[in-house]
Amino acid sequence: AQSVTQLDSQVPVFEEAPVELRCNYSSSVSVYLFWYVQYPNQGLQLLLKYLSGSTLVKGINGFEAEFNKSQTSFHLRKPSVHISDTAEYFCAVSAGGTSYGKLTFGQGTILTVHP
Amino acid sequence: GAGVSQSPSNKVTEKGKDVELRCDPISGHTALYWYRQSLGQGLEFLIYFQGNSAPDKSGLPSDRFSAERTGGSVSTLTIQRTQQEDSAVYLCASSLRNTEAFFGQGTRLTVV
Repeated sequence: AQSVTQLDSQVPVFEEAPVELRCNYSSSVSVYLFWYVQYPNQGLQLLLKYLSGSTLVKGINGFEAEFNKSQTSFHLRKPSVHISDTAEYFCAVSAGGTSYGKLTFGQGTILTVHP
Repeated sequence: GAGVSQSPSNKVTEKGKDVELRCDPISGHTALYWYRQSLGQGLEFLIYFQGNSAPDKSGLPSDRFSAERTGGSVSTLTIQRTQQEDSAVYLCASSLRNTEAFFGQGTRLTVV
């Protein structure tokens, strides 16, 4: 079984500032890691994913995340945020294989970008 | 279709009534998932269909919940004898085998 902890429920930040959204996971097996974004009244959109290989993963909209196996973390970062990045962000894991899309989600982090 | 389509987008029902939620996956996607998003529980996995294999029903919260997928395409999630705690957004997602899941916009269910 897997679990995901997003360490911050809300993160306020000013426009053009850097941001980091924190995610820790636990699992007894190797996992795949994902970050999804949800804009108000919309479904989930995949930002980026880590399957294997380079631990630094780049995604859409200028986001990137770094997989740290020893710390079981997968923090999401953006060097300069925009008002349009205001949304809820979800970290998720899956066991891969035939369970690739069977995701365990964190509780979400609401990112609010202020002008 | 271009994306995962869910209907209705909103549903208000009386406690004790049955409801059916529909999901049209992306054409050609073999895997289909249902998730529930609620204020108290966050995003929870409900059920997973992959091709002709038996579905993974491990996330269904009670026997009032069931789902089927006809012809490997459209899926219907049925909730019988709805309760107020069933109020949530029900999200459907689909994928090709072992690739990322694409989500629909969800059905917001309100039980009054």
